[in-house]
Amino acid sequence: EVQLVESGGGLVQPGGSLRLSCAASGFTFGTYEMNWVRQAPGKGLEWLAYITGSGTIYYTNSVKGRFTISRDNARNSLFLQMNNLRVEDTAIYYCARDESFDYWGQGTLVTVSS
Amino acid sequence: QPVLIQPSSHSASSGASVRLTCMLSGGPSVGDFWIRWYQQKPGNPPRYLLYYHSDSNKGLGSGVPSRFSGSKDESANAGVLRISGLQPEDEADYYCGSWHSNSKTWLFGGGTKLTVL
Repeated sequence: EVQLVESGGGLVQPGGSLRLSCAASGFTFGTYEMNWVRQAPGKGLEWLAYITGSGTIYYTNSVKGRFTISRDNARNSLFLQMNNLRVEDTAIYYCARDESFDYWGQGTLVTVSS
Repeated sequence: QPVLIQPSSHSASSGASVRLTCMLSGGPSVGDFWIRWYQQKPGNPPRYLLYYHSDSNKGLGSGVPSRFSGSKDESANAGVLRISGLQPEDEADYYCGSWHSNSKTWLFGGGTKLTVL
C-alpha cells in the first residue's frame, strides 16, 4: 500500500525557517517523481515544487529562492526546506507522488505568524 | 503562462449527470494538454480521479468508479469531468490540473465546489 506521511510543520515567525519531510512507503521511491503542494486555509491547491528520481527540479515562481526541494532515495524521504517564511505561506503542505499526483499524504500544517 | 479556470460552484440533483469544466486560457490549445482531475472532501487530502488527453489516451485512478470520466471541449478550449449517476458522497471540491511544459510548471485550476441536492 502506498503511504506518504508528512511531518515538520508548526508555528514559525515571519522570516523563520522550517524543514518539512515526507516519508514514503509501499513503492520504489527512487523511481518516482515527487511534488510538494500547499493549500492555504479555505483556498485551492498550489503546486510548489517537483523533483525527479535523479534530481531534476522545478519550482513555482512564488517560492524560487526561498524553498528547496530535495530527496534521499536511500531513506525513502522527500524534503522541503522553507526559508524566509511569510504570513502568506500559512497552509497545509502536502507531498504527492508522480507527475500525476496519484497519491497524497495527509498534509502538515505550517502557520507563519508573529 | 496559461491559467486553468473552473467555475467556483455547481449544483445538481442526486442521480443526475454533471459536467465540470476546466478552461485553459492564455494561448495554448487544450488538445495538447493532459488534464487530470482530483476530488477533495473537507478535512481530507485530494484524491486522484483520472486523466484525459484523448479518447485513446485516458485513464481512471485506482479504485475510481467508472461513473467518473473525462473528455475535452475543443470549442471551449476546456477539459471536462463528467460524473454520471450523481451520489450524495460525490459532494466535494473538484480540481483540474496539468503540466505546462513550456514554463516547466504544474497548473491547478481554482476548484469547483459541487453540491449534490
